[in-house]
Amino acid sequence: QVQLVQSGPEVKKPGASVKVSCKASGYTFISYGLSWVRQAPGQGLEWMGWISGYNGHTIYAQNLQGRVAMTTDTSSRTAYMELRSLRSDDTAVYYCARARCGGDCYVPTYYFDYWGQGALVTVSS
Amino acid sequence: EIVLTQSPGTLSLSPGERATLSCRASQSVSSNYLAWYQQKPGQAPRLLISGASSRATGIPDRFSGSGSGTDFTLTISRLEPEDFAVYYCQQYGSSLTFGGGTNVEIK
Repeated sequence: QVQLVQSGPEVKKPGASVKVSCKASGYTFISYGLSWVRQAPGQGLEWMGWISGYNGHTIYAQNLQGRVAMTTDTSSRTAYMELRSLRSDDTAVYYCARARCGGDCYVPTYYFDYWGQGALVTVSS
Repeated sequence: EIVLTQSPGTLSLSPGERATLSCRASQSVSSNYLAWYQQKPGQAPRLLISGASSRATGIPDRFSGSGSGTDFTLTISRLEPEDFAVYYCQQYGSSLTFGGGTNVEIK
């Protein structure tokens, strides 16, 4: 069965960086992209970006451009999301999710059929 | 950006009752690319519906999605105890955005 297993919780200071991992199993990794979605405490869902499992092509949400970087390691079937220059409002649970394309995968039109368990990132001085 | 407005914010119902959740888009959603998710406290969202009306794998048939254009509905025909949760809609026809959620709580 499809599983996405994420790394554990992190506590970071403002200005630092965090890198969250997401290890995939149960499907052909290069056949799907992965997205990252975050959820601040008590809030809704915010899409952060997408990375192709095939060629590592990335698409980032406009409001995070320049601060976020998504990568994959196909040999270990693992995706990574790094967020830099952390602020207190980056405190959230960060989810990876397998992305299904509504049409062209290189346009951000995805829905998400499997999700990781989430990784809480707390930004506090 | 397409803004999705979900209503009501909270729905108080009893097990066995019918739940009707609304998701309204600020512009027409291309190809009816509208998904619904269920989220329970401390858990990741779970896909229920894609393409406005297609149930995801393993989703019981008491969940159904309908609608087109700007107005979409998720219906739970008879609420089971495990259905009390927060429900989000998401459009993926033009970039992608999520609604603010509807909390279905036990009355």
